[in-house]
Amino acid sequence: GAVVSQHPSWVICKSGTSVKIECRSLDFQATTMFWYRQFPKQSLMLMATSNEGSKATYEQGVEKDKFLINHASLTLSTLTVTSAHPEDSSFYICSASDRGGYEQYFGPGTRLTVT
Amino acid sequence: GQQLNQSPQSMFIQEGEDVSMNCTSSSIFNTWLWYKQDPGEGPVLLIALYKAGELTSNGRLTAQFGITRKDSFLNISASIPSDVGIYFCAGREWGGATNKLIFGTGTLLAVQP
Repeated sequence: GAVVSQHPSWVICKSGTSVKIECRSLDFQATTMFWYRQFPKQSLMLMATSNEGSKATYEQGVEKDKFLINHASLTLSTLTVTSAHPEDSSFYICSASDRGGYEQYFGPGTRLTVT
Repeated sequence: GQQLNQSPQSMFIQEGEDVSMNCTSSSIFNTWLWYKQDPGEGPVLLIALYKAGELTSNGRLTAQFGITRKDSFLNISASIPSDVGIYFCAGREWGGATNKLIFGTGTLLAVQP
């Protein structure tokens, strides 16, 4: 149980374009989903927290207009990187927790490369 | 963002050896979680701890929630090559308004057969 998927697993895009990453909870209802970014050899840094049906809460320093998050259902959240630049290249990982749960279950991650 | 202090930063051991790593925080936590991350993958939950002093095992892994609520350790006994990866601690601050986790800096484990 507690399986989270992400799509795509990797994506290459040109500078200035937008990229959408999907995060799905496959066997449970995710009332809260989290989006992280991880640079090589570093830990996970939380970007934003999203609760189903409400606006995402962004961490300090994360541009909400650049990283658009939508959590429209209990099983799907999306992260859209708008007007991507090479410095946005990173490993993006989502996680999900169910109602009242403190444990987070992670997706396999999405490798974004902006050229 | 805030991070937990995790040590050691890396470990290079022989197969069969026991391993110990720990995490400390300057603030009190009410939840400690330990994750393992393989290259190019998302973290996988190993053990979850919810009470001060709690000692929990999962196969060859044992973790404890420190009584001060500011630390936790993870032990791996009789290491095997597939234990290779990066281990992260993560915690939720006491009184936190959300389920947000703070992550440790990670411990890279290498096991030589």
